[in-house]
Amino acid sequence: AQTVTQSQPEMSVQEAETVTLSCTYDTSESDYYLFWYKQPPSRQMILVIRQEAYKQQNATENRFSVNFQKAAKSFSLKISDSQLGDAAMYFCAYNSDSSNTGKLIFGQGTTLQVKP
Amino acid sequence: DAMVIQNPRYQVTQFGKPVTLSCSQTLNHNVMYWYQQKSSQAPKLLFHYYDKDFNNEADTPDNFQSRRPNTSFCFLDIRSPGLGDAAMYLCATSREPLTKGNQPQHFGDGTRLSIL
Repeated sequence: AQTVTQSQPEMSVQEAETVTLSCTYDTSESDYYLFWYKQPPSRQMILVIRQEAYKQQNATENRFSVNFQKAAKSFSLKISDSQLGDAAMYFCAYNSDSSNTGKLIFGQGTTLQVKP
Repeated sequence: DAMVIQNPRYQVTQFGKPVTLSCSQTLNHNVMYWYQQKSSQAPKLLFHYYDKDFNNEADTPDNFQSRRPNTSFCFLDIRSPGLGDAAMYLCATSREPLTKGNQPQHFGDGTRLSIL
């Protein structure tokens, strides 16, 4: 069974600085998808960025980028120029390409605090 | 505009009293998911509908049921809520399961369920 691990329960960053959130996963599959979701307090979970395992190039979305290391099964999220609105819980998630359900397996989450 | 709408945002019920949570979507997506998220934990998939086909996760308690009368609506029924069922319940949709074109999931705001 696949598992996703986020080893940092809490992180903090100064506004305008850069922070990296860690995620590792375990799978025996070669094709899969990885995601980072953001869940602000009392607000809906939204997709931040996604990565297809067959793509070697790291995904980037504006200030958000990932460092995808397939051999190491690592998928970290880098937030550049952090803003107060980035404060939220961040979940790393995995989806198996062989799954017919679209089931997401989430990590435990990392709460990010942004200090002004 | 909200695309995945969950009602109510907060629900309080008594121990053992059946409760129904509602989810509607304006996206015309084929797949609807229900996740349970306990405090400070990762969301856990309970079940999902792919069109009219119901797919239950193996470890979802029998106490949890779901209905999808049409494309737009999906309900989560908890027949006899216990104290351990207090959680945030998240509804999500996707056009197709992730394996088909890598469709991301869109989440609602969630319903926070409390058990007295």
